[in-house]
Amino acid sequence: GEDVEQSLFLSVREGDSSVINCTYTDSSSTYLYWYKQEPGAGLQLLTYIFSNMDMKQDQRLTVLLNKKDKHLSLRIADTQTGDSAIYFCAESRRSGGYQKVTFGTGTKLQVIP
Amino acid sequence: GAGVSQSPSNKVTEKGKDVELRCDPISGHTALYWYRQRLGQGLEFLIYFQGNSAPDKSGLPSDRFSAERTGESVSTLTIQRTQQEDSAVYLCASSLGGSQETQYFGPGTRLLVL
Repeated sequence: GEDVEQSLFLSVREGDSSVINCTYTDSSSTYLYWYKQEPGAGLQLLTYIFSNMDMKQDQRLTVLLNKKDKHLSLRIADTQTGDSAIYFCAESRRSGGYQKVTFGTGTKLQVIP
Repeated sequence: GAGVSQSPSNKVTEKGKDVELRCDPISGHTALYWYRQRLGQGLEFLIYFQGNSAPDKSGLPSDRFSAERTGESVSTLTIQRTQQEDSAVYLCASSLGGSQETQYFGPGTRLLVL
């Protein structure tokens, strides 16, 4: 299976931490990604993690991967109003000779000032 | 170029007309993808190009949809006899074509079929 699931909506107060969760079904996933989409724009890669890693930190962003449970999370520390956007989780796996990427449905993050 | 560009940025058309959407990938990127994003929904994969060939067309929703890529560069997505349910944002992405497939997205074409 190739499903990638996310909750649709998350609301946090400015300055708090945000945690966006994602579950996937394909155990052969090699890379997992987080993309950000601001209103009226395309998707922008935030970070990615290789499937043999548990955690990756990049400034305010922390990615946690639980491969056993096929669960990926993105934590944004000190959330700012500029972080308001839709966040897409994605997984890639080798299929038909190329790395096929499957995106989740996106989580809309609303940051309340 | 510096990034993926798409044209037009917005397109309004009448039901039954044909439309062509264009994507210019990042120079040197051999892989190119088209996605559809309906209002408030996630990305729906349409087609993948490696070079000029399309090894995965599995996402094209009907035979009204077709795409081509010439010279390992520009790609066009054509929708014939447009229907109202074709209204969506059409996103193009490109990547180097290696094992770590970071995709770089264009801003999309917003298509509205009246």
